[in-house]
Amino acid sequence: SQTIHQWPATLVQPVGSPLSLECTVEGTSNPNLYWYRQAAGRGLQLLFYSIGIGQISSEVPQNLSASRPQDRQFILSSKKLLLSDSGFYLCARRKGFSENTEAFFGQGTRLTVV
Amino acid sequence: AQTVTQSQPEMSVQEAETVTLSCTYDTSESDYYLFWYKQPPSRQMILVIRQEAYKQQNATENRFSVNFQKAAKSFSLKISDSQLGDAAMYFCAYKGGGATNKLIFGTGTLLAVQP
Repeated sequence: SQTIHQWPATLVQPVGSPLSLECTVEGTSNPNLYWYRQAAGRGLQLLFYSIGIGQISSEVPQNLSASRPQDRQFILSSKKLLLSDSGFYLCARRKGFSENTEAFFGQGTRLTVV
Repeated sequence: AQTVTQSQPEMSVQEAETVTLSCTYDTSESDYYLFWYKQPPSRQMILVIRQEAYKQQNATENRFSVNFQKAAKSFSLKISDSQLGDAAMYFCAYKGGGATNKLIFGTGTLLAVQP
């Protein structure tokens, strides 16, 4: 199973409030994990990816951060949300040992910053 | 840096007809992988088809096939005998070979299927 659990499904937060989105995955150990953001009418923007515990690569400088405290847990955080942080956030995983495997995605979290 | 470009924000096709979605990419790598994903209204991302750059033969999956032109850095998706259930956002994606783990997506093409 490559099941990915994301929660919450929907979130409305005021500007300046903190954020914590959690993603947990099942299946093979040491997966590659990703956080993407999909803004309205736009494609998927890669925010962070991780190849292992504590290993985070950031693709876009912004007020978001990511952490991987456990092998199958990937967390997206912010200390102070901006209006521009609104969007649809997707967590994804790939099998770490095979290069051509596709990514599996979670159901996503729709974040609205008001 | 690698980039993926989908120049068609929206496309429309009649049911049972054929449609081709375009994708171009830019990379200096010789070994990489390309994917097409489908995102229906449920927002769940679904893999449609994949292509390894080292393979000259175009990948096919039932009604879905690709036209992979490595020299032109082009990777188009052809959907034959279009069905109402094909209506979705389609994303082209690139992943580099070797130790590269980034998976980069294009901006997507919204496909409408007319009955």
